[in-house]
Amino acid sequence: SQQGEEDPQALSIQEGENATMNCSYKTSINNLQWYRQNSGRGLVHLILIRSNEREKHSGRLRVTLDTSKKSSSLLITASRAADTASYFCATDEKAAGNKLTFGGGTRVLVKP
Amino acid sequence: SQTIHQWPATLVQPVGSPLSLECTVEGTSNPNLYWYRQAAGRGLQLLFYSVGIGQISSEVPQNLSASRPQDRQFILSSKKLLLSDSGFYLCAWSFGNTGANEKLFFGSGTQLSVL
Repeated sequence: SQQGEEDPQALSIQEGENATMNCSYKTSINNLQWYRQNSGRGLVHLILIRSNEREKHSGRLRVTLDTSKKSSSLLITASRAADTASYFCATDEKAAGNKLTFGGGTRVLVKP
Repeated sequence: SQTIHQWPATLVQPVGSPLSLECTVEGTSNPNLYWYRQAAGRGLQLLFYSVGIGQISSEVPQNLSASRPQDRQFILSSKKLLLSDSGFYLCAWSFGNTGANEKLFFGSGTQLSVL
């Protein structure tokens, strides 16, 4: 079963708007990561937030983590057409060993 | 710097034929290695991971197998492909011996179509 589940499944916005997507998970984690995938390509790591952190920034990306609600959000500010991609959260479950579990992803379309 | 190579990029195979996908990592030692499969428009399903030569963990019972004959080489195989083996296969690596899963570095993927 999926550990991380992203919401919404798809998102369409205009260039310049902000894009927010959420990830929920079920068990205790060491860290949570966000990845980006352009169509037909491999995934690229965006940001990692540890279980003892609540917020992290990287450029136009802002990630929050609420361990009490077992959820995370990814905010992309001032979106660009080049941000069009699928975004996945991945969780490092404490009991799972050396592996990450990925959610189903959010497909983001940024219209110019 | 580290790089990951995965080939081929696309593959069309008949049902019942064998499969061999190869992945190699350069620029690091003793990496953790992973094979994921992605159905169209879906998330990633972990198939196999390895923390060392000859050490393979299988996540899902299936028609596939994995081997790690060298420290930085990871091979995904099948003796007889099924239609359900079609999908996008991704190899990935992470730094070993970190105690927790840090970032994964992905290859460019192999689109496998079984006809």
